[in-house]
Amino acid sequence: AQKVTQVQTEISVVEKEDVTLDCVYETRDTTYYLFWYKQPPSGELVFLIRRNSFDEQNEISGRYSWNFQKSTSSFNFTITASQVVDSAVYFCALRINTGTASKLTFGTGTRLQVTL
Amino acid sequence: AAGVIQSPRHLIKEKRETATLKCYPIPRHDTVYWYQQGPGQDPQFLISFYEKMQSDKGSIPDRFSAQQFSDYHSELNMSSLELGDSALYFCASSLRDRVDEQFFGPGTRLTVL
Repeated sequence: AQKVTQVQTEISVVEKEDVTLDCVYETRDTTYYLFWYKQPPSGELVFLIRRNSFDEQNEISGRYSWNFQKSTSSFNFTITASQVVDSAVYFCALRINTGTASKLTFGTGTRLQVTL
Repeated sequence: AAGVIQSPRHLIKEKRETATLKCYPIPRHDTVYWYQQGPGQDPQFLISFYEKMQSDKGSIPDRFSAQQFSDYHSELNMSSLELGDSALYFCASSLRDRVDEQFFGPGTRLTVL
């Protein structure tokens, strides 16, 4: 069975601070995909990044960066110079490659509050 | 680019009533997924369809049923609604052979009074 753990339920930072959201996953499959989604107060799920299990390269996209480490089964997400608009719930998710329609397993989410 | 369409966006029902949620996948996407997100919870997988056949099933109550039609749109039917069914219901779509991509709709917020 797959499992995603986000131990930080809520994080509060002041604007311009850097913040890292942790994600630890469990799966026995060797091929899998990891995702981060942002859910703002409006409720929609906004796709941020997708990573497959064979690509451990870290990625940077503007103020966002992701650190994927298979050795520790972690896929952490860092926001640099946070802004108020970053306030949202962030979900880490896992999907295994079964070759057929396969579900996403989500973590419980981390609520990020960025204040002025 | 066209996205996943869900209707209605908001729905208010009384206990014991029925509700039907609709999902229109991205054009050419053949696979549809339904997720339920309760207040303060993470999205939980309910059910998925590929080519009109159920392909995977999660924690979907027996009171719920779903199907996918020949045009690939899907409907989630919910009967004997309970207060606990109040949630955000997401539909997502993908191509069967692109398991690394799953595009979410904006969700339907169901409130059961």
